[in-house]
Amino acid sequence: AQSVTQLDSQVPVFEEAPVELRCNYSSSVSVYLFWYVQYPNQGLQLLLKYLSGSTLVKGINGFEAEFNKSQTSFHLRKPSVHISDTAEYFCAVSKDSGYALNFGKGTSLLVTP
Amino acid sequence: DSGVTQTPKHLITATGQRVTLRCSPRSGDLSVYWYQQSLDQGLQFLIQYYNGEERAKGNILERFSAQQFPDLHSELNLSSLELGDSALYFCASARDFGTEAFFGQGTRLTVV
Repeated sequence: AQSVTQLDSQVPVFEEAPVELRCNYSSSVSVYLFWYVQYPNQGLQLLLKYLSGSTLVKGINGFEAEFNKSQTSFHLRKPSVHISDTAEYFCAVSKDSGYALNFGKGTSLLVTP
Repeated sequence: DSGVTQTPKHLITATGQRVTLRCSPRSGDLSVYWYQQSLDQGLQFLIQYYNGEERAKGNILERFSAQQFPDLHSELNLSSLELGDSALYFCASARDFGTEAFFGQGTRLTVV
């Protein structure tokens, strides 16, 4: 079975600073990896996904993530955050892009002025 | 707006009761997923339907059941409710295998 560990439950950061949200996965088979964002009182929105190909994946809102197979990681980065990026971020893994997602516990990103 | 509609948005009910949560997927989406989000368990996959057939089961309790109807909408039935069933229940839909799943805004269930 696939599982996901998000190493930080909360990440406080100042506006315009860079941020990295860490995600490690475990799986005995090839996986598909996703990052979702959840704004307060809303559903989940897909930020980006890795299915195959280039290990650097660019998503919406200026986010990107790098798939590192040897380190079984899929960390999310943004070079300069905005107040509006304050939200809960979830890393997820699936054994196939049509299969259900296994989510991590989430990382709460808090951006302050 | 993801195009996935969940009703009701909020539901308060007593222990021991039964409720039904409804999900209307995006037009043309064949696959529906149900997830439960709670503070202690996080986001957990419950069950998936594809074109009316159950495709995968996750951590779904025996007290819970779901179905997908010919018009592709889905219902999640929760019975003999316990305080611990209080959570946000999400539905997601996808066009087909290999395509992105879009999430609804969830139904917040409070069991008192």
